[in-house]
Amino acid sequence: KQEVTQIPAALSVPEGENLVLNCSFTDSAIYNLQWFRQDPGKGLTSLLLIQSSQREQTSGRLNASLDKSSGRSTLYIAASQPGDSATYLCALRLNTGNQFYFGTGTSLTVIP
Amino acid sequence: EAQVTQNPRYLITVTGKKLTVTCSQNMNHEYMSWYRQDPGLGLRQIYYSMNVEVTDKGDVPEGYKVSRKEKRNFPLILESPSPNQTSLYFCASTTWGAGELFFGEGSRLTVL
Repeated sequence: KQEVTQIPAALSVPEGENLVLNCSFTDSAIYNLQWFRQDPGKGLTSLLLIQSSQREQTSGRLNASLDKSSGRSTLYIAASQPGDSATYLCALRLNTGNQFYFGTGTSLTVIP
Repeated sequence: EAQVTQNPRYLITVTGKKLTVTCSQNMNHEYMSWYRQDPGLGLRQIYYSMNVEVTDKGDVPEGYKVSRKEKRNFPLILESPSPNQTSLYFCASTTWGAGELFFGEGSRLTVL
């Protein structure tokens, strides 16, 4: 079974800092990987989707990379803002099977 | 507007009283799924559906039922709820290709 790990579980940074969130997975036969943001008590909002054939995707201040050989994806947030405070989750879909696998998330706090 | 709609958003019920959480999507997605989110355990898949009349168990199906009679709807049924089913529930949908997963706003269920 695919294991998805996100470390650290919580992160606190001052406003303006660049930061990297990590997502590690055990099975490299992934179909795609998606990063989400979740605000307290709310649903998950899709941030970036990386297909298996891609190495990275960018949207505004966000950049997500994918390295299947090392079983790792990173989400880079540039010039962090207090509004970026939320929990960030990664989710994988494998080449086989019909399920998605989620990490437990990294809770980010950006201090003004 | 493309969306996944869940109802009710909040529900308090008592042990053994049957309830249904509805999920509807307006994006003509083939794939729909239900998750529960619990502190420290992350998102766990309950059931998923690849298309109308095609459903399958996820990782934690015990105590739940689903049906997929129409493409847009995928209700979650708790025939006899128990307190260990107190959780935050999410419905999600996607096109079963390279599409991203879209989530509803969540339904917070408390079983007394």
